[in-house]
Amino acid sequence: DIQMTQSPSTLSASVGDRVTITCRASQSINNWLAWYQQKPGKAPKLLIYKASSLESGVPSRFSGSGSGTEFTLTISSLQPDDFAAYYCQHYDRYSPAFGQGTNLEIK
Amino acid sequence: QMQLVESGGGVVQPGMSLRLSCATSDNYIIHWVRDVPGKGLEWVAAISSDGHSKYYADSVKDRFTISRDNSKNTVYLQMSSLRAEDEAVYYCARGVYSSGRCDVFDMWGQGTMVSVSS
Repeated sequence: DIQMTQSPSTLSASVGDRVTITCRASQSINNWLAWYQQKPGKAPKLLIYKASSLESGVPSRFSGSGSGTEFTLTISSLQPDDFAAYYCQHYDRYSPAFGQGTNLEIK
Repeated sequence: QMQLVESGGGVVQPGMSLRLSCATSDNYIIHWVRDVPGKGLEWVAAISSDGHSKYYADSVKDRFTISRDNSKNTVYLQMSSLRAEDEAVYYCARGVYSSGRCDVFDMWGQGTMVSVSS
């Protein structure tokens, strides 16, 4: 199975900062990668699919890039609502797998 | 209105069984994903819209069974031989934007908690 590794596990930042989260796959997944945001006690919310396609309704400050085995999620200017956990997920084949998550916290 | 609603969670002893339900507003491709405390999200199982194709994570294969009744717009996850490591919040989610082999999850239920404890 394909393993997904995210870094960092925790990220401290301030409102207005530009932040980047990295996700690496154990083998090539082409661009079949998604990013989710999850807040405590809530279901995940889809942000990005196919590595760089923005889901409808998601603010444009979120962007994704990468292909093959290395991917990034960038938030261009952090807003108070963005402090949450973020997960990458590959969907190249079964079984789909998530990264271990990145907790984005207020500095 | 598109929505997914899970039910059936609860507290069970190790080795016991439990059936989760996911009420849908249409016959979508449905996945079950669990949020394990302290560990994060783990994909569990998936079923095609017609119920003919089913997929399982290695960790639940031979213990969990996914099924659906399209006349009731409901997907089930029958869980047997439950273990402490199965304890989690279980979500059903709609599969979309397929790669041709697998999906992204764009719509999620509110989750149902499964606790496994003696």
